[in-house]
Amino acid sequence: DIQMTQSPSAMSASVGDRVTITCRASQGFGNYIAWFQQKPGKVPQRLIYLTSNLQGGVPSRFSGSGSGTEFTLTISSLQPEDFATYYCLQHNSFPLTFGQGTRLEIK
Amino acid sequence: EVQLVQSGGGLVQPGGSLRLSCEASGFMITTYWMTWVRQAPGKGLEWVATMNKNGVDKDYVDSVKGRFTISRDSAQNSLYLQMNNLRAEDTAMYYCASQFGSPVHYWGQGNLVTVSS
Repeated sequence: DIQMTQSPSAMSASVGDRVTITCRASQGFGNYIAWFQQKPGKVPQRLIYLTSNLQGGVPSRFSGSGSGTEFTLTISSLQPEDFATYYCLQHNSFPLTFGQGTRLEIK
Repeated sequence: EVQLVQSGGGLVQPGGSLRLSCEASGFMITTYWMTWVRQAPGKGLEWVATMNKNGVDKDYVDSVKGRFTISRDSAQNSLYLQMNNLRAEDTAMYYCASQFGSPVHYWGQGNLVTVSS
């Protein structure tokens, strides 16, 4: 099974900051990584698919990169609506596994 | 409008059964891998089960193997999750979702399942 270790688990940042969230996989694989944003009481929303492809309608300040065992989600300039919880997902092999989540809070 | 509309869920006693439904509109579920994901109260997302677009290949998280069954009805354009022998630890919001690697991707609105006596 591929374990996904997401870091940090929580962080505080200010509007305008650049933020990076990392997921490290227990074994290397291709580009089958997706990133999701979830706000309290809401359905998760996909931001990035296949490591670096931006979901339609998602602002370009979100980007994804990585390969092998390390994958990152970057928010280039935080906006007030970006404060939420973020998850990575590997769908390279079963069982599919999510990272533990990163709660992004306002500083 | 393209959407996934869920139904089912509710309160059930330990050992009981429930069936969740996920009806697609605006696209055919037979053209995508389809998945169930759950989220226990205050916890993160957990993958539960996936069905291949062929409708034959299915995979499950270990904790539900032998108790949950993912299925679909092409005529109804609907995905199902039959949950038997439910346990307290199955209490969660359950979501259906379409193929994670496709350019288009949808989630249902979620169904709360509560297992309690």
